[in-house]
Amino acid sequence: NAGVMQNPRHLVRRRGQEARLRCSPMKGHSHVYWYRQLPEEGLKFMVYLQKENIIDESGMPKERFSAEFPKEGPSILRIQQVVRGDSAAYFCASSPAWPGEEKLFFGSGTQLSVL
Amino acid sequence: QQPVQSPQAVILREGEDAVINCSSSKALYSVHWYRQKHGEAPVFLMILLKGGEQKGHDKISASFNEKKQQSSLYLTASQLSYSGTYFCGVPNAGNMLTFGGGTRLMVKP
Repeated sequence: NAGVMQNPRHLVRRRGQEARLRCSPMKGHSHVYWYRQLPEEGLKFMVYLQKENIIDESGMPKERFSAEFPKEGPSILRIQQVVRGDSAAYFCASSPAWPGEEKLFFGSGTQLSVL
Repeated sequence: QQPVQSPQAVILREGEDAVINCSSSKALYSVHWYRQKHGEAPVFLMILLKGGEQKGHDKISASFNEKKQQSSLYLTASQLSYSGTYFCGVPNAGNMLTFGGGTRLMVKP
C-alpha cells in the first residue's frame, strides 16, 4: 500500500513563473491537507480538502495560491507568479477521516526554490 | 490557534531523559505528536484522545491533561535515533490539525 505520494520532490522556478505541486493521498483516504514549512520553522496549515470540495482554506494566501482535489487524480497546489518568499517545503498529508481521531500520513514534501 | 511548545530546543546525552510540553489556550479534545528528522516528512508518534490518557511506545510516552489544556511527551533513556524536531498538533473547529512551533531535540553520544 503506497504512502502519500508527492511530486516533484524538488522544483525550481524563476520569479513570476507558476508552480504546480501534486499530491496523491493514500488509498482510501479522502481528506487531504497542505502545509508549508519554512527553514527551521514549524508546519503552517494552508488548506484542507475533500474530494471536489475545499473545506478550509484559511491558511492559504488569498492571492496567487489555489488548491483543488478533483474527483479523479491527485490534489494540486498551484502558486502563480511565484516570489522568493514562496521558497519553502510544501507537505501534503492525508487521513481517512476527521483528524481529531485519525493520524495524518505525510508525503515526502516538495521543496520549492524560487530564483 | 497555534499550541505552544516548550522548550524550543533540547540537547541531551544518550541515556538522558527529556520532557516536551504542549499547551493550548483553547479546550483540547485530542493531541497528536509527530517527529520530523531533518529533510524528511513528519512521522506520527501517537494520539491522545481522552483527558488523563497516557500512552507509550518503546521509551517514548505521553500524557494528556484535559483540564490544564496541555500534553507532555516523555523521552526516557534517549537514543541517538530520537534526534529530530517534535511537533504537537491539535485539531481546531475547522477540523484540521494546527501544529506547535516544534521542539528541536539533539541527542549526542
